[in-house]
Amino acid sequence: QVHLVQSGAEVKKPGASVKVSCKASGYSFTDYYIHWVRQPPGQGLEWMGWINPNSGGSNYAHKFHGRVTLTQDTSMGTAYIELRSLRSDDTAVYYCARDKVGVTSYGMDVWGQGTRVTVSS
Amino acid sequence: EIVMTQSPATLSLSPGERATLSCRASQNVNNSYLSWYQQKPGQAPRLLIYGASIRATGIPARFSGRGSETDFTLTISSLQPEDVAVYYCQQDYNLPYTFGQGTKLEIK
Repeated sequence: QVHLVQSGAEVKKPGASVKVSCKASGYSFTDYYIHWVRQPPGQGLEWMGWINPNSGGSNYAHKFHGRVTLTQDTSMGTAYIELRSLRSDDTAVYYCARDKVGVTSYGMDVWGQGTRVTVSS
Repeated sequence: EIVMTQSPATLSLSPGERATLSCRASQNVNNSYLSWYQQKPGQAPRLLIYGASIRATGIPARFSGRGSETDFTLTISSLQPEDVAVYYCQQDYNLPYTFGQGTKLEIK
């Protein structure tokens, strides 16, 4: 079976950094983008960025430029998101999701279980 | 940034009724780059429809999508109690990829 398994919940102080992992299994890691989407408590979904595990290339939503880094370890089949200079409004559930690399879009068909990040002093 | 606007915000219907959810994009997003997701409380989103009208693997036939350019619709032909959820549309035609604010579907 195809799975994305994320690391556990984090509690951080304002100004700190957090790194969340997303381990893929059951498919070829380099055939699918990994997207990161977050959801603040009681709110909707917000796309943050994607990484192409095949090329290492990435794209980010402009609002996160300079604060977020997407990386991968192809040998481990794992993607990471690091968010720096945390603020209280970064409190959210962070999801990874896969999307097939191709000339068109196939949607994000497999999602991780989510990682709750709480930013509080 | 392409703004995705969903309506209504909340929809309350009886089992067996037909649900029609709308999604409007602030500019053309091309049919191939519009997806719908279902999110039940406490769960991760689930892909329902991609390419505006193609059902994802394992999605029941009562879910259908249509539309083009800026106007899209998700229809649930006969509501089931398990369809209670928030539904989101999303475009990945232009960066940043954006979601609508969601439509909450309730069963009377």
